[in-house]
Amino acid sequence: AQSVTQPDIHITVSEGASLELRCNYSYGATPYLFWYVQSPGQGLQLLLKYFSGDTLVQGIKGFEAEFKRSQSSFNLRKPSVHWSDAAEYFCAVGSNDYKLSFGAGTTVTVRA
Amino acid sequence: GAVVSQHPSRVICKSGTSVKIECRSLDFQATTMFWYRQFPKQSLMLMATSNEGSKATYEQGVEKDKFLINHASLTLSTLTVTSAHPEDSSFYICSASQLAGVNTEAFFGQGTRLTVV
Repeated sequence: AQSVTQPDIHITVSEGASLELRCNYSYGATPYLFWYVQSPGQGLQLLLKYFSGDTLVQGIKGFEAEFKRSQSSFNLRKPSVHWSDAAEYFCAVGSNDYKLSFGAGTTVTVRA
Repeated sequence: GAVVSQHPSRVICKSGTSVKIECRSLDFQATTMFWYRQFPKQSLMLMATSNEGSKATYEQGVEKDKFLINHASLTLSTLTVTSAHPEDSSFYICSASQLAGVNTEAFFGQGTRLTVV
């Protein structure tokens, strides 16, 4: 069975500072990995995804993530956060049957 | 990216009534749609997977007679919460996938906030 762990429930970061959100997954085969962002009361927006190839993935809004098979991790990073980046972030792993398993999410608060 | 529209975005209903939520893929044909439920401050939990023209596959613990799913066309899936009770109040989100290959991606609707009073 596939699963995702997001160790950090809540992160507070200053505007302009760097951000890193952790994600660890458990999956028996090559994983399909995703990061989504959710604003309050809204659906999910895909930030980036990893299926294969280059382990450093570039996404929208200046985000990137690095797939590390040896650590079963897919951490999300942004060099300089903006106030608009305050939201809930979900890491997800997908399987061949196209179902997604989500982590519990990390709430990001950006302080001025 | 592709657009998935969910309607309504918010609904309040009386206990004991039924509520229907629609999920439409606007610019692509979705052979598979997924329904998720999200409790406050929690992650999304997959409820069921629906394939066009066939019966939905429900996850363990999800009552199929309570959460009726219909996927009658390649652009529309509906979730009906029957005989709703306050504990059914939640945020329901659908996603749709073309299943064009292993590199498929699921696109999410904006969600429906259901409140049962």
